Amino acid sequence: GAVVSQHPSWVICKSGTSVKIECRSLDFQATTMFWYRQFPKQSLMLMATSNEGSKATYEQGVEKDKFLINHASLTLSTLTVTSAHPEDSSFYICSASTTQGTGIGQPQHFGDGTRLSIL
Amino acid sequence: AQSVTQLGSHVSVSEGALVLLRCNYSSSVPPYLFWYVQYPNQGLQLLLKYTTGATLVKGINGFEAEFKKSETSFHLTKPSAHMSDAAEYFCAVSATSAGNKLTFGGGTRVLVKP
Repeated sequence: GAVVSQHPSWVICKSGTSVKIECRSLDFQATTMFWYRQFPKQSLMLMATSNEGSKATYEQGVEKDKFLINHASLTLSTLTVTSAHPEDSSFYICSASTTQGTGIGQPQHFGDGTRLSIL
Repeated sequence: AQSVTQLGSHVSVSEGALVLLRCNYSSSVPPYLFWYVQYPNQGLQLLLKYTTGATLVKGINGFEAEFKKSETSFHLTKPSAHMSDAAEYFCAVSATSAGNKLTFGGGTRVLVKP
């Protein structure tokens, strides 16, 4: 159980284009989804938190107009990198959690990540 | 505010030897603690978690961790390393007061020697 599917796993595109990454919870309802960015050999950096049906909360220093997050349903969140540039190249990972029960201490379940390369 | 420190960015062990990964945390409220494993080019997989109750927590793949409040530690161990344990390991802390957001340690890369 608790499977999170992230798509695509790899994307290469030209500078200036926009890229959409999807994150789906396959067998549970994800009331909260998180988006992370990971640089090589480093830990995960939280970019934003999204709750179904409401606007995402961005971490300090993350450009909300550059990284658009939509959490339209309890099973789907999307991250769109707008007008992507080479410095946006990175490994992006989503996670999902549920508030089933008390919601206390519910773990996050992670997708397999998306390797984004901007030429 | 919460923080996590993982001692040692790299750990090398021989196959069959004990694996010990150290994690210390700082939290102003009772913490929820997690260990995740990441294989190359993949997301994170939950190994185990501590929320309340028994302080010795058993997880998948033979791993276990012990919550020691007095030492603010949550070290991860496995009695006998296997080649498949080679990966990156992350300790993380969260709290309901922080919206269940995870704060990660810097990670420890485990190398298993035959």
